[in-house]
Amino acid sequence: AQKITQTQPGMFVQEKEAVTLDCTYDTSDQSYGLFWYKQPSSGEMIFLIYQGSYDEQNATEGRYSLNFQKARKSANLVISASQLGDSAMYFCAGRLNDYKLSFGAGTTVTVRA
Amino acid sequence: GAGVSQSPSNKVTEKGKDVELRCDPISGHTALYWYRQSLGQGLEFLIYFQGNSAPDKSGLPSDRFSAERTGGSVSTLTIQRTQQEDSAVYLCASSLDLGIGYTFGSGTRLTVV
Repeated sequence: AQKITQTQPGMFVQEKEAVTLDCTYDTSDQSYGLFWYKQPSSGEMIFLIYQGSYDEQNATEGRYSLNFQKARKSANLVISASQLGDSAMYFCAGRLNDYKLSFGAGTTVTVRA
Repeated sequence: GAGVSQSPSNKVTEKGKDVELRCDPISGHTALYWYRQSLGQGLEFLIYFQGNSAPDKSGLPSDRFSAERTGGSVSTLTIQRTQQEDSAVYLCASSLDLGIGYTFGSGTRLTVV
């Protein structure tokens, strides 16, 4: 079965510090894509960053970067210089062996002032 | 439209009644996906459409759930004889083509009383 695993139910981070959210995936396919979404308390799913399995460089989008370690099947999200508005639930998702996205259980991030 | 639109945003229904949830994807997006998110949980895949066809209905939890898409655009998710365990947020996403660039709507919060 294709699967996304997030093992951190909740994280606390001090404002202006960096935080790393873990994500591992399981697939036997060579071609796949990995996504991170942010879900604030309002409920919408906000796309943050994408990494394709053939991308040689780690994806970056502003303060978000993806630490892609293909051999270890991990795709960790790094949020640098955390802001209070970063407090939300974060989901790792994968387009693994077909076209639907499979989601992890999510990590709640709370940024402290 | 500019984004994925879902209606209603909130729906309270009595146990045993039927409900219809609507998703209006981004114009030109050929693929459409339905997910369910129970309180504090990750997203559970229900069904996806490519055009008007549904190649993967594997996530529909029971035969009380059905979905259709007409004209390659609007989709309706129907839940018959609703049960309390159907209470959740139902999220719709669309993409330009299968597996490329998923954009989510704001969801329909369904409460079965």
